[in-house]
Amino acid sequence: DGGITQSPKYLFRKEGQNVTLSCEQNLNHDAMYWYRQDPGQGLRLIYYSQIVNDFQKGDIAEGYSVSREKKESFPLTVTSAQKNPTAFYLCASSSGGGGRLFNEQFFGPGTRLTVL
Amino acid sequence: AQKITQTQPGMFVQEKEAVTLDCTYDTSDQSYGLFWYKQPSSGEMIFLIYQGSYDEQNATEGRYSLNFQKARKSANLVISASQLGDSAMYFCAMRPGSTGGFKTIFGAGTRLFVKA
Repeated sequence: DGGITQSPKYLFRKEGQNVTLSCEQNLNHDAMYWYRQDPGQGLRLIYYSQIVNDFQKGDIAEGYSVSREKKESFPLTVTSAQKNPTAFYLCASSSGGGGRLFNEQFFGPGTRLTVL
Repeated sequence: AQKITQTQPGMFVQEKEAVTLDCTYDTSDQSYGLFWYKQPSSGEMIFLIYQGSYDEQNATEGRYSLNFQKARKSANLVISASQLGDSAMYFCAMRPGSTGGFKTIFGAGTRLFVKA
């Protein structure tokens, strides 16, 4: 089955440590995204990538870094510079074309990060 | 400023009745896409319905329909014949064309409770 996988589901980190969240898709989508969701709030865009080896900052990129070396993979690193990293992180992907001007995003199950 | 506003933090509906979730948007773009997503307690975001800014007909997908009023900049979601499984958070979202169609702006969400 095609879809997006994120690992781990739950992640605990000590303050001052970097941590990397995994996101893999087998939908053959060009575009991938990382969002952060805080309790009771909507999603905020951290980074997005339209194509391999290219990515753009979203609205809240400070303290985060990404890479896009393969089409299928878009890992997110939460660095120690991120002051309040405890949140729910969602990865998504979308395709181009298909007759629509804008295509929907497909989301992974999310990673819940807690900083201890 | 590009923005999505969902004014109903929580809504209750009786099983088998219809419910409307409100969404207004703000953009100066002529080309944009509007989306509704459902987020169950598991956390994964599920795409429900899409409306393009140039689409003249209101979008429908099964029990979901989108009441698109372009002049009023509203894109309300109507769920007919509510089911217990419809209890979830619902997010309205917009992809403005001026951002290349890659940046999605989400509202704060509406939590729907379906009563038996």
